[in-house]
Amino acid sequence: AQSVTQLDSHVSVSEGTPVLLRCNYSSSYSPSLFWYVQHPNKGLQLLLKYTSAATLVKGINGFEAEFKKSETSFHLTKPSAHMSDAAEYFCVVRGGTDKLIFGTGTRLQVFP
Amino acid sequence: DAGVTQSPTHLIKTRGQQVTLRCSPISGHKSVSWYQQVLGQGPQFIFQYYEKEERGRGNFPDRFSARQFPNYSSELNVNALLLGDSALYLCASSHPQGIDYGYTFGSGTRLTVV
Repeated sequence: AQSVTQLDSHVSVSEGTPVLLRCNYSSSYSPSLFWYVQHPNKGLQLLLKYTSAATLVKGINGFEAEFKKSETSFHLTKPSAHMSDAAEYFCVVRGGTDKLIFGTGTRLQVFP
Repeated sequence: DAGVTQSPTHLIKTRGQQVTLRCSPISGHKSVSWYQQVLGQGPQFIFQYYEKEERGRGNFPDRFSARQFPNYSSELNVNALLLGDSALYLCASSHPQGIDYGYTFGSGTRLTVV
């Protein structure tokens, strides 16, 4: 069965400093992995996805993630945080057929 | 192109009542999925429909049901509402070639059961 574990429930950074949101996955086959962002009282927006092509995936708003099979990880990074990045971030793995399995989320706070 | 549209945006119901939530997928998308997001948690898969047939069901009681219409829009019905059904209900539609090619969420319906 597929699952994801987000290692931090909260991450706080200062504006202009790097962001690292950690995610480990479990899958019995080559996974499809996604990062979604949810701003307060908003729906879910796709940041980026890994579907067995390049292991370093670039997404929107300067975010990127690296798929590391040996570490079963798919961590999300951004070189320089912006105040507008404050939101809830979900690491997601594709389950059977066309369903998504979400992690518990990481709340990112950005301080000025 | 319009995105995934859901209605209503907010709803307040009393315990024991029934509720119907609606979703219109992106034009050309034939698959619709429903998710429940309880406050402070990640979304949980409820149903997937493709070409009007149920293709997947999550671990939810029979009080939850859904259907898909010929125009690919969908309804989610919840009977005998419980306080624990209070959540954000999200609809997503997926690209005809599968979710690896596109999977878009609507803004959701916020259901409050009192």
